[in-house]
Amino acid sequence: DAGVTQSPTHLIKTRGQHVTLRCSPISGHKSVSWYQQVLGQGPQFIFQYYEKEERGRGNFPDRFSARQFPNYSSELNVNALLLGDSALYLCASSTPGEPDTQYFGPGTRLTVL
Amino acid sequence: GQNIDQPTEMTATEGAIVQINCTYQTSGFNGLFWYQQHAGEAPTFLSYNVLDGLEEKGRFSSFLSRSKGYSYLLLKELQMKDSASYLCAVTDSNYQLIWGAGTKLIIKP
Repeated sequence: DAGVTQSPTHLIKTRGQHVTLRCSPISGHKSVSWYQQVLGQGPQFIFQYYEKEERGRGNFPDRFSARQFPNYSSELNVNALLLGDSALYLCASSTPGEPDTQYFGPGTRLTVL
Repeated sequence: GQNIDQPTEMTATEGAIVQINCTYQTSGFNGLFWYQQHAGEAPTFLSYNVLDGLEEKGRFSSFLSRSKGYSYLLLKELQMKDSASYLCAVTDSNYQLIWGAGTKLIIKP
């Protein structure tokens, strides 16, 4: 079975631009979470969506937004990019339950110049 | 605030045993996860503890003490491929995952 897929794998943008990152969950998983990981740190939670509804939101500015589609795939949008947005963006899918284990995609490496 | 502490870096010898500790202070507790992350790759699930005690899975074991806010990951018969970062994460009362910064494990021949 295919795992979580993300696109693109790498992206270079300049300050002030907008970016859209995409994620397809494991087949049968209805929950998608987005994380930002800066080098040398653990992932920081951005959003979780379940059944197309926002289930949780981390401490990120309104420049960050996301949505989930009827096929459970998801997009993360970041507006007005800042240098500090450079990071690895990870998408994880899960089926809520005990435990709610997160299965991660390979990530999108975003560089903001 | 919510906080998870792990050592930044540890070094061990191939074939030996290493214990990576994690202490946590979170708003509520609904389980603790350990993930392995090789450089440049995504984290992969290793173990889950929700009750006190030891969970064994092959060469890896994970222990939890909820009263002490403490967990450890035990790796036996270390192999060079075990060189990676090991992340501790706790599910809080809102069922959100709070992550530690990770412990970089260096295995020497």
